[in-house]
Amino acid sequence: QLLESGGGLVQPGGSLRLSCVATGFIFNNYAMSWVRQAPGKGLEWVSAISGSGGETHYADSVKGRFTITRDNSKNTLYLQMNSLRAEDTAVYYCVKVYNTGWAPFDCWGQGTLVTASS
Amino acid sequence: EIVLTQSPATLSLSPGEGATLSCWASQSVDKYLAWYQQKPGQAPRLLIYGASNRATGIPARFSGSGSGTDFTLTISSLEPEDFAFYYCQQRKSWPITFGQGTRLEIK
Repeated sequence: QLLESGGGLVQPGGSLRLSCVATGFIFNNYAMSWVRQAPGKGLEWVSAISGSGGETHYADSVKGRFTITRDNSKNTLYLQMNSLRAEDTAVYYCVKVYNTGWAPFDCWGQGTLVTASS
Repeated sequence: EIVLTQSPATLSLSPGEGATLSCWASQSVDKYLAWYQQKPGQAPRLLIYGASNRATGIPARFSGSGSGTDFTLTISSLEPEDFAFYYCQQRKSWPITFGQGTRLEIK
């Protein structure tokens, strides 16, 4: 199970940190990702991190502004979001990778809404 | 970036009918393609991975086929709970990308 928190209303240019607590599986065995969905729109992959945390990947739309990290001792995934823009407004899902590799995603959190608006 | 194009955008069918959803990749993704189902207000659910493997707990009426650039999700006989949005996704190369989705609606 994955449980996200940290979403909310933030002004453009502001920062927010999302957290995702994982239970029910050996957290450090799996790569994790964040996927977002703008209101009424489709799915967009945002960022991924390896099981050890040593390898990360980002979508071009967030590169240089967002940072993905994990604390395997706390079974927690994070997404630090800086310089937020209106177009970052979306539900952000924490997702677990099925088996090895970087996808597909077999476990999704319930999502946390981030709204960047003045 | 590999672009995934899904067709049709909307599919209107009746319960009991069969459904065929398509996903085309702008370049080969081998068999690194997955399908997801999403109902309003819910997180997506993994249906198919590796182009043709059903995920745990997915009914046998769902099947996937294809490789390279052309993929199909088939639902053999629609149940009322199957009317939802469907997305394909590739993991062949970075960035991971999703198709724009197909809305399967009740006719």
